[in-house]
Amino acid sequence: NAGVMQNPRHLVRRRGQEARLRCSPMKGHSHVYWYRQLPEEGLKFMVYLQKENIIDESGMPKERFSAEFPKEGPSILRIQQVVRGDSAAYFCASSEGQDDYEQYFGPGTRLTVT
Amino acid sequence: GENVEQHPSTLSVQEGDSAVIKCTYSDSASNYFPWYKQELGKRPQLIIDIRSNVGEKKDQRIAVTLNKTAKHFSLHITETQPEDSAVYFCAAGGSYIPTFGRGTSLIVHP
Repeated sequence: NAGVMQNPRHLVRRRGQEARLRCSPMKGHSHVYWYRQLPEEGLKFMVYLQKENIIDESGMPKERFSAEFPKEGPSILRIQQVVRGDSAAYFCASSEGQDDYEQYFGPGTRLTVT
Repeated sequence: GENVEQHPSTLSVQEGDSAVIKCTYSDSASNYFPWYKQELGKRPQLIIDIRSNVGEKKDQRIAVTLNKTAKHFSLHITETQPEDSAVYFCAAGGSYIPTFGRGTSLIVHP
């Protein structure tokens, strides 16, 4: 059973470009969460999705950021017109259900904006 | 919303000593308290969790205690080893979104 997969692992973008981060949850998991981690800081919740639905996006900036989890394929976190402040590690986690189910984290995508 | 405070931010111990990391939370509705270990450049991994109907849980050298009245919970690592060096995150949740502490960098000196 493969764990949570994320790609790319490292992504370099110039200011103004778009960044697309992908996350494939563990087999059997239909709940996906995206977190952002700045250097030497904790994990900040961004968005929670189930298949084809955004359940909670309260942690996601209103502009430039969007997320989806289509019926087929991975979940995608999209950042338009990236700025230097977007440089961070973005982790995806998946769980079997909501409430107090264990979240399994992917290896993360380290985004660097130059 | 939930607010989780974690202390200390850095903890340095000698190999073989015990290490204790403490967290407090604000939302009395929280009933699930996981702890994650994150080694440098790697993903957070769950090491132990506790639910509100339990006061203490142990797994080999790791234990977690929960005081719901005082709204705090702690991670205890005994007989620390250099490979325990990592950043440890506590989290508290009652809904699907746990709130994470800022992390404790544990350094175990050989």
